[in-house]
Amino acid sequence: GDSVTQMEGPVTLSEEAFLTINCTYTATGYPSLFWYVQYPGEGLQLLLKATKADDKGSNKGFEATYRKETTSFHLEKGSVQVSDSAVYFCARHNYGGSQGNLIFGKGTKLSVKP
Amino acid sequence: KAGVTQTPRYLIKTRGQQVTLSCSPISGHRSVSWYQQTPGQGLQFLFEYFSETQRNKGNFPGRFSGRQFSNSRSEMNVSTLELGDSALYLCASSLDGGVLADTQYFGPGTRLTVL
Repeated sequence: GDSVTQMEGPVTLSEEAFLTINCTYTATGYPSLFWYVQYPGEGLQLLLKATKADDKGSNKGFEATYRKETTSFHLEKGSVQVSDSAVYFCARHNYGGSQGNLIFGKGTKLSVKP
Repeated sequence: KAGVTQTPRYLIKTRGQQVTLSCSPISGHRSVSWYQQTPGQGLQFLFEYFSETQRNKGNFPGRFSGRQFSNSRSEMNVSTLELGDSALYLCASSLDGGVLADTQYFGPGTRLTVL
């Protein structure tokens, strides 16, 4: 069925390292794609989004490009900080039904060490 | 513009009790969705309300119910609580939700602990 697959965590990096979190999706058509971030003890915050193929979403130094050829939306950041430690969720839009309007990946926990 | 607010932030209940959680969406948003987040199951969709009507429903038992008021505020209720209902309950609002593929904005969640 329709789904979102993220790389398994946890991911542990040193400060200033390069970050990639892989995300692929299955869908009919070209749904909007999202990255959400969840800091400890908080809800989900929208990090970035892309609404059509080849769009690049960016925010706070994070980027992700909507690749329809590979059905991917990988999250990248050139230099991570300790404050980036959080759980990152990839999601795609869904037109309702028993999965609701967003289908989420399982989340990837990132820990950044000073 | 104020974000999505959820009350209470923390709740402790015992098995068999019932609980009501509240969510106030961003002003102008008409769609409210509820999710349950647990370490084992991740984020699971409970239901979505739009214009006071339940529009979509996830695969949860009938003990989980909800409603939406004319001002778009929403409540969810869990009756006959079980230990497995311990979770973070997240509410998300959007302008429309389904058809327009718009962005969902999440509240901080209500942490429910069932003893």
